[in-house]
Amino acid sequence: DAKTTQPNSMESNEEEPVHLPCNHSTISGTDYIHWYRQLPSQGPEYVIHGLTSNVNNRMASLAIAEDRKSSTLILHRATLRDAAVYYCILSVTTSGTYKYIFGTGTRLKVLA
Amino acid sequence: NAGVTQTPKFRILKIGQSMTLQCTQDMNHNYMYWYRQDPGMGLKLIYYSVGAGITDKGEVPNGYNVSRSTTEDFPLRLELAAPSQTSVYFCASNRADTQYFGPGTRLTVL
Repeated sequence: DAKTTQPNSMESNEEEPVHLPCNHSTISGTDYIHWYRQLPSQGPEYVIHGLTSNVNNRMASLAIAEDRKSSTLILHRATLRDAAVYYCILSVTTSGTYKYIFGTGTRLKVLA
Repeated sequence: NAGVTQTPKFRILKIGQSMTLQCTQDMNHNYMYWYRQDPGMGLKLIYYSVGAGITDKGEVPNGYNVSRSTTEDFPLRLELAAPSQTSVYFCASNRADTQYFGPGTRLTVL
């Protein structure tokens, strides 16, 4: 299965943009790229996902490289509530079933 | 909607005991999943189900069993608990490229 690679940790100042990178060099053509975040003592929550084109929603933007071997999650103005572990995940469809392959994530620290 | 609910929140087991972790979703999702998360690690898929009566193994199924008799419920059974099964267990359901996770069950096996 394709895997993702992320930095273990990153820091950002409050109200500044944050760019969280992810490498997925073995991604297949049909694998979607998802980002979830996990706040302390909670289950992961959805942030954004995409296939080929850049995506925007109210939480973040997702920039996907043209060759799809890497992507970047962009938080436009980090707040203290954005401190979490961010997971870059590939969704794999095999024989009609749909599974997520989690990496180890990036722990984002936001400084006041 | 309550979303995905899990019980219990915490549990301590002795080696060799068994238990069932409960998971219920009220969103009528066909896909459901069980993951475990060890300290400082990402989630690993234990079992998943694509609908009532259909289950399949994920990455780390050994020591666990599942059943799916209804769309709403997807219990995870631990037989002969071992210290290696100490972890946080998350249940999730899926709709349209989004997974919805429960709050987790923290299990310690001593």
